[in-house]
Amino acid sequence: EAGVAQSPRYKIIEKRQSVAFWCNPISGHATLYWYQQILGQGPKLLIQFQNNGVVDDSQLPKDRFSAERLKGVDSTLKIQPAKLEDSAVYLCASSATMTAGNTIYFGEGSWLTVV
Amino acid sequence: LAKTTQPISMDSYEGQEVNITCSHNNIATNDYITWYQQFPSQGPRFIIQGYKTKVTNEVASLFIPADRKSSTLSLPRVSLSDTAVYYCLVGDVLTGGGNKLTFGTGTQLKVEL
Repeated sequence: EAGVAQSPRYKIIEKRQSVAFWCNPISGHATLYWYQQILGQGPKLLIQFQNNGVVDDSQLPKDRFSAERLKGVDSTLKIQPAKLEDSAVYLCASSATMTAGNTIYFGEGSWLTVV
Repeated sequence: LAKTTQPISMDSYEGQEVNITCSHNNIATNDYITWYQQFPSQGPRFIIQGYKTKVTNEVASLFIPADRKSSTLSLPRVSLSDTAVYYCLVGDVLTGGGNKLTFGTGTQLKVEL
């Protein structure tokens, strides 16, 4: 079974530029998550989708971050304009559903460096 | 208010059993307890999950007392390759239904020869 796919794996941009990350979840998984992980910290949930609807985006900086999952399958996370403090790993994850006890599977992450 | 509390770091030697304890005093009735492992430059990897008593799989055991306010991840006979960060998570119920997982800072396990 294929895992969660993410691209690009690495990205370096200048501050105020924009960047987009793509994620393809495990086939059939209804729930998709984007986490931000800053070096030395645990992952922080940015946004959670159930099919193509947002169920939680309380920690997403909406002035610069946006995410969509238009057809309920793959997803894109965009940052515009980027700030230095956005340098982090962006992890996409998916699970079959979002009920308690469901296993969440993570991708390898997209590493962003803002200079 | 933190959902879980676990030691920041632990050291061990190859061949030893390692037990990492996590406290989750405010765990809700329908919460599960899940442990993830993360190596540098990789996404977190699911290790084990349980609701109560004991769960065992091919890599670890999870012990959960009756009050469920804590849990212990047990790694039998660790090797150098078990050096990683280990996260203990319990769920947060979403207002509109469903569940989400919030990570803490994790426990950095270092295994030496």
